[in-house]
Amino acid sequence: AQKVTQAQTEISVVEKEDVTLDCVYETRDTTYYLFWYKQPPSGELVFLIRRNSFDEQNEISGRYSWNFQKSTSSFNFTITASQVVDSAVYFCALSEEYGNKLVFGAGTILRVKS
Amino acid sequence: DGGITQSPKYLFRKEGQNVTLSCEQNLNHDAMYWYRQDPGQGLRLIYYSQIVNDFQKGDIAEGYSVSREKKESFPLTVTSAQKNPTAFYLCASSPLRPTSGRTNAYEQYFGPGTRLTVT
Repeated sequence: AQKVTQAQTEISVVEKEDVTLDCVYETRDTTYYLFWYKQPPSGELVFLIRRNSFDEQNEISGRYSWNFQKSTSSFNFTITASQVVDSAVYFCALSEEYGNKLVFGAGTILRVKS
Repeated sequence: DGGITQSPKYLFRKEGQNVTLSCEQNLNHDAMYWYRQDPGQGLRLIYYSQIVNDFQKGDIAEGYSVSREKKESFPLTVTSAQKNPTAFYLCASSPLRPTSGRTNAYEQYFGPGTRLTVT
């Protein structure tokens, strides 16, 4: 069975600090996909990134970066120079190759204080 | 603008009443989903549908029912059989086939959610 663990329930940082959100997953599939979503206070989930299991290259998008390591089954998300607008709940999710079902982690609440 | 709409944003019902949550999308997506979100538990899949007039149970389908009579619409009924209906409900949609590259993954797009309170 697939499982996603986000061990950090809540993180608080001061603006401009870097912060890393951890995601560890479990799957028996050789091909799978990993996602990160952001849920601001408004409630709607916003898609951030998708990564397939064959692509371990790290990705950077502005202040966001993702570190995928198959050896440790982790897909961590780093926000550089955090801002108050980054305050949200962040979810990591996993899907099988041809599935359309996402398995979500419990989420990490990020609070960025000014 | 293309997107997913859910109405209403807040819904209050008395225990024992059925209630239907609306979800409409104009993204021309084939697949639609319903999730339930409880504090500290992430999102759990209730039902999903890949094509009109067909749907499958997710992980927590008991006490819920759905219909898919139109591609754009996927209403969820929370029945009186659902023991703990108070929650935040999110609807999502996705293409049935990936939109880019060689991936076989599905990006899901979410609506703003409906917060249901049953007393």
